Amino acid sequence: SQTIHQWPATLVQPVGSPLSLECTVEGTSNPNLYWYRQAAGRGLQLLFYSVGIGQISSEVPQNLSASRPQDRQFILSSKKLLLSDSGFYLCAWSAGTGGPDTQYFGPGTRLTVL
Amino acid sequence: QKEVEQNSGPLSVPEGAIASLNCTYSDRGSQSFFWYRQYSGKSPELIMFIYSNGDKEDGRFTAQLNKASQYVSLLIRDSQPSDSATYLCAVWDGSARQLTFGSGTQLTVLP
Repeated sequence: SQTIHQWPATLVQPVGSPLSLECTVEGTSNPNLYWYRQAAGRGLQLLFYSVGIGQISSEVPQNLSASRPQDRQFILSSKKLLLSDSGFYLCAWSAGTGGPDTQYFGPGTRLTVL
Repeated sequence: QKEVEQNSGPLSVPEGAIASLNCTYSDRGSQSFFWYRQYSGKSPELIMFIYSNGDKEDGRFTAQLNKASQYVSLLIRDSQPSDSATYLCAVWDGSARQLTFGSGTQLTVLP
């Protein structure tokens, strides 16, 4: 069976500090990978998605970036965090069939920027 | 921008009642629809998906799709306090090849 991991689970960072969140998937090959952000009481905002190694699509302009150095590894980064970067960051995977894939979410990282 | 609308609630129902959660979407060409449940502080988990007009049942959950009215709903029969959560509707955007999520409906089942 497939498993998705995210770490860290919680993070408190000062404004202007760097960020690195990691997501890994087990039990599948060549998945589509996604980063979402959920602000308190809000819906899910798609930040990045990837259909393969080194292939990243960005959905919204921001000071965040994403990388996919390995097939089942997806990293979200920032060089300098803003207060508005606080939120619940969710990584998700899907089978990547090209059609309406079901997305499965990791446990999330709760980021607080102070 | 394709939109998915949900009543944010909160929706309260007594234990044992039927909870009805509704979702409308703007893209008439949408073909695939998903319902997720999200407990407070946790990540969303898939309940079910529906592709065809009509009803699809899975245990106490029934998804209903009406493409002509651009409307999808989720019914929860015999609601339990453990069903208290936020329910997210998601619509597959075939052109962008991604899911568009509604903002969710918060459900509380009262014991």
